[in-house]
Parts: sequence; C-alpha cells; structure tokens
Amino acid sequence: DIQMTQSPASLSASLEEIVTITCQASQDIGNWLAWYQQKPGKSPQLLIYGATSLADGVPSRFSGSRSGTQYSLKISRLQVEDIGIYYCQQASSAPLTFGSGTKLEIK
Amino acid sequence: EVQLVETGGGLVQPGNSLKLSCATSGFTFSTAWMNWIRQTPGKRLEWLAQIEDKSNNYFISYLESVKGRFTISRDDSKSSVYLQMNNLKEEDTAIYYCTRADPMGYVMDAWGQGASVTVSS
Repeated sequence: DIQMTQSPASLSASLEEIVTITCQASQDIGNWLAWYQQKPGKSPQLLIYGATSLADGVPSRFSGSRSGTQYSLKISRLQVEDIGIYYCQQASSAPLTFGSGTKLEIK
Repeated sequence: EVQLVETGGGLVQPGNSLKLSCATSGFTFSTAWMNWIRQTPGKRLEWLAQIEDKSNNYFISYLESVKGRFTISRDDSKSSVYLQMNNLKEEDTAIYYCTRADPMGYVMDAWGQGASVTVSS
C-alpha cells in the first residue's frame, strides 16, 4: 500500500499569513494527489486534484504543487473560514490512502 | 445540486451487523463510481470500498482489512449505494461517508454528511 506522510499535524497561523502543508508519498504517484478540506462539523470537501488543479468554487488563494514525491498545499493569505483539517490522498491506486491530517487554527 | 444522504447508522454490539444506505440525487448515478470512506474518532480517514459502474461490470475493490466482513453494493434504479457490515468490532466505530469518485475514478468529488456507527457492548 502507498503510505502518505503528512506534516505538520497541527498548525497555528495568523490571518493573512502564508500557510504550507506537505505530504510525502512512499512511492511515485505522479500527479495523482488530491487535497481535501474539512471544516468543523462538516464532511471533507475536495480542494485540489491532480496535485495542482483547483476544484470548482475553491478560492485562488489555495494552490498545490509537486516536487518528486513531495506535495504541498499552500494558502497564500489565511482567512478565518480556512480553519479546519486538511488531508492529502493518493489517487494512484487502490487501496486509496490518506495522510493523517493537518489541523489548522488561527493564532 | 449533487446530494448524498447516508442512513442506517447507530449503536451496535460487537459481532452484530449493520447496513448503511446512501441515497443520491442531482447527478447520473448509473455512471458514477461510488465509495465508502470512514473517519475514526481520532479523525483519520480510511477508504473502505469502491464499486464501479455497469460499463465496468460493477467491479468492486475493498480495503484488505475489511474484505470478507464488509460488502458494497448498488441499486442503479434507486440511485443508491449500500454497505453491509458484518461481525462488527469496536475498532469499526467511526463516521461512515458515502462518496462519489470523479471520472478518473479515485478522487472523491462529492461527500455525504456521514452516518455515525458505534460498536460497543
């Protein structure tokens, strides 16, 4: 199975700050990487797919990038509505696997 | 509007069974690949099973650790997907989400609100 190592586990940042979350895949998954956002009390929602493509309706302050088997999610200017838990997921092969999540809070 | 609504969750004793249902609307269910994903009390997400569409002979894949205990199925006439869970264990306690995969098959582009399952004596 492909392991996804996500960091950090938690993150506290100020409004308007740049935030970066990373995921390391245990093997080559190409661009088959998705990011999900889970707001408090809600189900996860697709944020980014194909490592870099924004899902419909996602603000442009979110972006995804890839360097080899390391993937990053960047929030360019943190807003209050961005608090929640973020997960990466490899979409290369079954069993589909998720990172352990990053809990994002406002400082 | 795409909607997925899970039902059937609840409190069950270890060793017992439970069947979750997911009723969908707002998209062409018959061509969608459907999944079940659970979220543990520690907030870890775990993919459980996927069922493809008729054109792919309803091909099914499972997480190895639930194979033989969990069964995914679908009824295209009812736009619904199901998860039969047998011989439940305390570690199956979680929120269970029904999800739709995007056309590439492995990205979850729609999620239900979740059904809570608690396995406890």
